[in-house]
Parts: sequence; structure tokens; C-alpha cells
Amino acid sequence: NAGVTQTPKFQVLKTGQSMTLQCAQDMNHEYMSWYRQDPGMGLRLIHYSVGAGITDQGEVPNGYNVSRSTTEDFPLRLLSAAPSQTSVYFCASTHQGGTGANVLTFGAGSRLTVL
Amino acid sequence: GQNIDQPTEMTATEGAIVQINCTYQTSGFNGLFWYQQHAGEAPTFLSYNVLDGLEEKGRFSSFLSRSKGYSYLLLKELQMKDSASYLCAVMDSNYQLIWGAGTKLIIKP
Repeated sequence: NAGVTQTPKFQVLKTGQSMTLQCAQDMNHEYMSWYRQDPGMGLRLIHYSVGAGITDQGEVPNGYNVSRSTTEDFPLRLLSAAPSQTSVYFCASTHQGGTGANVLTFGAGSRLTVL
Repeated sequence: GQNIDQPTEMTATEGAIVQINCTYQTSGFNGLFWYQQHAGEAPTFLSYNVLDGLEEKGRFSSFLSRSKGYSYLLLKELQMKDSASYLCAVMDSNYQLIWGAGTKLIIKP
């Protein structure tokens, strides 16, 4: 049981490049989400999904796209990277549909640097 | 706006007790979470409070007062491996998590 798997762990991009952060979970969780973590700030929600075919925007969605074609996979796409997107990105999932003890299982994180 | 406040950094001694406070102002309340995050790693779940009072789990306890918008995480018999950041998060009325910036706990021998 791998839990939540994120790739790549590290990535350096040039301004304007695009890339996809991969996230997969094998726990049959309905809810999946992407956060970014910046120094001195709390985790900020980028996009989330409550099930296959359903996605919604979080607090900081601009510059990012997501899709949820299967229960297992929830990739995050950076359309045209900017230095402001330099951050550590976490994918997370949970069984709960957003109510109750919504305990998140996080992936190991992806450290992205945009030059 | 919604806000979670916790101290930026705390220092404690191995074997001692430390209390990490969290105050919150959110649009509604559907539970408060504590997560532990070691440097360079992912956050991992520690505790969940939705009713007032103390929840004890081994060396860790978490307290909630909804009327005061206040919680604390109590760590007893501190070990070097407890050196980490501790994140407080509140679930608001829309069932979205609002996260504090985290408290970095440094344990000294």
C-alpha cells in the first residue's frame, strides 16, 4: 500500500515553461487536493476534487490546471511557470467527502524552483 | 477574514513538557486538526478536536475551547525526534481547511 505518490520530488523550470506534477493514490479515496507551502505561510489550497470527473478551485488556483479522469490520479499542471510559483507542492487525499474528521494523507512533496 | 495564529518558533528541553497554542478566527467551525511536519517531509496527522475538552493520545494531548477560539497541543516527555513543525488547521463552515503557518519546535538535549 503506497499511499499517496508524488513525482517529481525536485524540479527546476525556466519562466514560461510548462510542466505536470503527478499524484496518485491507491487508497480509493474520493477526495484529493493540491496545496502549496511557502515559508512563513500556512498551506494554501490550489485545487481539489471530490471524485472522478469533478474538480474545483481552491484559494490560489491561478496559473494551475487539474483534471481527475480516474479515482487514483490527480495531476497538477503549470501552464506557464512564473518565479512566484517557486514553492513546495503537496498532494493529499482522504476518504471523507469534506465532513467529519477529514484526515489528510499527504504525498512526500515536490520542490519546484522557477528561474 | 479567516486567521489562524500560532507562535513561529519554540524551544524546549528533552524530557520536558511543551504547550503549543493556536488561536483561530474562522467562518464557522467543523473541527480543528494538528499535524506534525519534520523538515523536508510531508505533514502527518496528530489529532482532531471537534468538541470542547482534552483529547489524549500517548505523549500528545490536544485541547479545544470553541467559545475562545483556542486550542493547544501538549507534548510530554519530549524526545529529540519531536523536533518538527506543528501545524494547526481549522475546518470552516464550507468544510475547507484553513492552515496556520506552523510552529517550529526545537528540542535541546
